[in-house]
Amino acid sequence: GDSVTQMEGPVTLSEEAFLTINCTYTATGYPSLFWYVQYPGEGLQLLLKATKADDKGSNKGFEATYRKETTSFHLEKGSVQVSDSAVYFCALGLTGANSKLTFGKGITLSVRP
Amino acid sequence: GAGVSQSPSNKVTEKGKDVELRCDPISGHTALYWYRQSLGQGLEFLIYFQGNSAPDKSGLPSDRFSAERTGGSVSTLTIQRTQQEDSAVYLCASSFLPGEQGYTFGSGTRLTVV
Repeated sequence: GDSVTQMEGPVTLSEEAFLTINCTYTATGYPSLFWYVQYPGEGLQLLLKATKADDKGSNKGFEATYRKETTSFHLEKGSVQVSDSAVYFCALGLTGANSKLTFGKGITLSVRP
Repeated sequence: GAGVSQSPSNKVTEKGKDVELRCDPISGHTALYWYRQSLGQGLEFLIYFQGNSAPDKSGLPSDRFSAERTGGSVSTLTIQRTQQEDSAVYLCASSFLPGEQGYTFGSGTRLTVV
């Protein structure tokens, strides 16, 4: 079945550090890929997405490139801020009338001032 | 409405009681999803509605769980005879088109079974 694997957490970084959060997937078709973010006390928000191979999604300084050859969608940010502290979820979705998003387990990022 | 609205935001119930959780999706969104978020377990898919029908209810963990959607809008998730392992945050999401465009989530209902 379809699945998403995220690196184990939590991750703690100092402000302005470089961030990479790994995500790999297994899918029977050609999925769209997503990163969602959940800030403390809030609901999940779509951070960025990519719908086909080699697409790069970007938002708020975060980037992720859809790599079909490595079945990966790693999230990166060049300089994290304290306000980036949140839980990050990688997800995949297949097109079609019966589709749903499959999520990874999420990873908690804490950024120290 | 402007966003996905869920109620109540918090619910504490005694073991064995029934609970109803409500989701009001974004107006015009035909697809509606329920997920469960347990501590350390990520998001677990429960059920998907397209309009009023549920083409995928494969994630409902037992026959104590049921959901319905009326008028292509509001959905209710019902848990009968609640157990402590049902304690979690129940999230609802909606989208205009299923799958490829991602969802808009509500803030969730935190259910605690004591």
